Amino acid sequence: GEQVEQRPPHLSVREGDSAVITCTYTDPNSYYFFWYKQEPGASLQLLMKVFSSTEINEGQGFTVLLNKKDKRLSLNLTAAHPGDSAAYFCAVSANSNYQLIWGSGTKLIIKP
Amino acid sequence: DMKVTQMPRYLIKRMGENVLLECGQDMSHETMYWYRQDPGLGLQLIYISYDVDSNSEGDIPKGYRVSRKKREHFSLILDSAKTNQTSVYFCASIRDRNQAPLFGEGTRLSVL
Repeated sequence: GEQVEQRPPHLSVREGDSAVITCTYTDPNSYYFFWYKQEPGASLQLLMKVFSSTEINEGQGFTVLLNKKDKRLSLNLTAAHPGDSAAYFCAVSANSNYQLIWGSGTKLIIKP
Repeated sequence: DMKVTQMPRYLIKRMGENVLLECGQDMSHETMYWYRQDPGLGLQLIYISYDVDSNSEGDIPKGYRVSRKKREHFSLILDSAKTNQTSVYFCASIRDRNQAPLFGEGTRLSVL
């Protein structure tokens, strides 16, 4: 079945620098991709959803890239600020069911 | 306002006691999930429900059971709780497979 590998598990960057988190998946039929942010002690909040028909999506302070050929999904945070300190999770879903396969998470720390 | 509500938010139980975690949503979402998240780790799927009385085991169903008698409510039951079931439990619901799951605030369960 589908497997999702998320890297790195921990990431520390300075305020103002960029940060990149990557998920690779195995199922070529994967169609829906999601990035979630989880602040300490809180629930998961959706950052962005991506369909396989799109490759680049921009949010507020971040960009999501989908490389279908390499089966890679990345979250690029530009000009990181302290509020970006959190855990980030990717999730992947095939078109055929409602089961999501989750990455193991990345704990991002923004240093002043 | 679209919301998934979990009750209680915090719960302390003794080993061997029964535990009932409740989840509600007012969006008539058909599909609902129960996840478990241990400290510093990702999400593990316990059960998925596709509608009333249509439930399927996830990756870690042992020691848990669920009940869905109304579309709006999805309960997680621990019969004779064990200390290794101490965790944070998240409920989520989804309208369509092209939508992102909406998460509740979580229930922090401690089994002593």
